[in-house]
Amino acid sequence: EADIYQTPRYLVIGTGKKITLECSQTMGHDKMYWYQQDPGMELHLIHYSYGVNSTEKGDLSSESTVSRIRTEHFPLTLESARPSHTSQYLCASSDLFADTQYFGPGTRLTVL
Amino acid sequence: RKEVEQDPGPFNVPEGATVAFNCTYSNSASQSFFWYRQDCRKEPKLLMSVYSSGNEDGRFTAQLNRASQYISLLIRDSKLSDSATYLCVVNDHAGGTSYGKLTFGQGTILTVHP
Repeated sequence: EADIYQTPRYLVIGTGKKITLECSQTMGHDKMYWYQQDPGMELHLIHYSYGVNSTEKGDLSSESTVSRIRTEHFPLTLESARPSHTSQYLCASSDLFADTQYFGPGTRLTVL
Repeated sequence: RKEVEQDPGPFNVPEGATVAFNCTYSNSASQSFFWYRQDCRKEPKLLMSVYSSGNEDGRFTAQLNRASQYISLLIRDSKLSDSATYLCVVNDHAGGTSYGKLTFGQGTILTVHP
């Protein structure tokens, strides 16, 4: 089992609130990723990082932001949540010289 | 055209059946290929990597055809527990960097019934 954790697992919040989704891994992986997935749909990469102080936007435009101050931690922040942000957010990590990604359990976000 | 295309199914098969999934990819520079499994409302989990020579893991066999740019997954002797969505995943080796990103297909739904 991969040692990658996400909190909270479920979040229901009102429009306009600021939220931070947490993702941590204990495998020492340099690369970390955030994906967004709607029910029955494919995963879309929204952010990734190749190491500390490295962050890049993914293929799907997102209003969220990320930071990578520590290797093990890759939080995602939404400054002002909207109903269109309702989705599942999956965090993943991989070793620097490998492509295999290991996923956390996800955060299911509902914005009312 | 999508970078990774799969038949979404669903495939409904009885226990013990053999089922095959195919996947095509558009980026001829791709270097790494995987099958992931995703259970309903869960995270994707690596099922197996796919190598040019083909590889087998128990009841699962994966094949890669670089010339035709397609990947296959064969499941023999299906079990009820094989019911899941199977994701075809391809590395996007863009611009000569070794730090490619993964592109996920939309998945093929498999339901194995008694």
